Amino acid sequence: DAGVIQSPRHEVTEMGQEVTLRCKPISGHDYLFWYRQTMMRGLELLIYFNNNVPIDDSGMPEDRFSAKMPNASFSTLKIQPSEPRDSAVYFCASSLRQGYGYTFGSGTRLTVV
Amino acid sequence: GESVGLHLPTLSVQEGDNSIINCAYSNSASDYFIWYKQESGKGPQFIIDIRSNMDKRQGQRVTVLLNKTVKHLSLQIAATQPGDSAVYFCAERTGFQKLVFGTGTRLLVSP
Repeated sequence: DAGVIQSPRHEVTEMGQEVTLRCKPISGHDYLFWYRQTMMRGLELLIYFNNNVPIDDSGMPEDRFSAKMPNASFSTLKIQPSEPRDSAVYFCASSLRQGYGYTFGSGTRLTVV
Repeated sequence: GESVGLHLPTLSVQEGDNSIINCAYSNSASDYFIWYKQESGKGPQFIIDIRSNMDKRQGQRVTVLLNKTVKHLSLQIAATQPGDSAVYFCAERTGFQKLVFGTGTRLLVSP
């Protein structure tokens, strides 16, 4: 298995633009998580899905952030409009069972200028 | 995926030494704990886990100790190698079924 695949690896965008981050979980994993990593706040859970259904989005910072999982092999995290404070590394992770042995992708480094 | 940076606690060891990385967790209801390793430019990588009904678990060159009385986890790495240089995170699964990460410790191994 290729592991959790995220794209793009790097994204530089201007403030106000829409940004879409993509994730392909490991086949057969039915949990998918989106995390954000910053120097100030470390790794924060934004939202997670079980069987494509959002279960907990309490970590989503504000309405500018949205996440979808239209099928078992694809998820997106969208920021609209983007702001400089959204600059961070965004990780996607998947697991067979919630809380056990997450596998992380390589992350998307987002820079909003 | 560059890890959190400048203000992480840092542990510096010589190659061949044993390393001990500590972590205080926050939730007494947490029932499962994981140690992750994160190298520069990569996502966190699973190292070892332990359930709350255990106090010790061993893997290859790594041992995790859990002290629920003081809510403390430690990761011991035997015969530390330069390739072990990374940021190490502990994570706890809370009563709300979320995996919450600690702030991390940077391990620097000198040859």
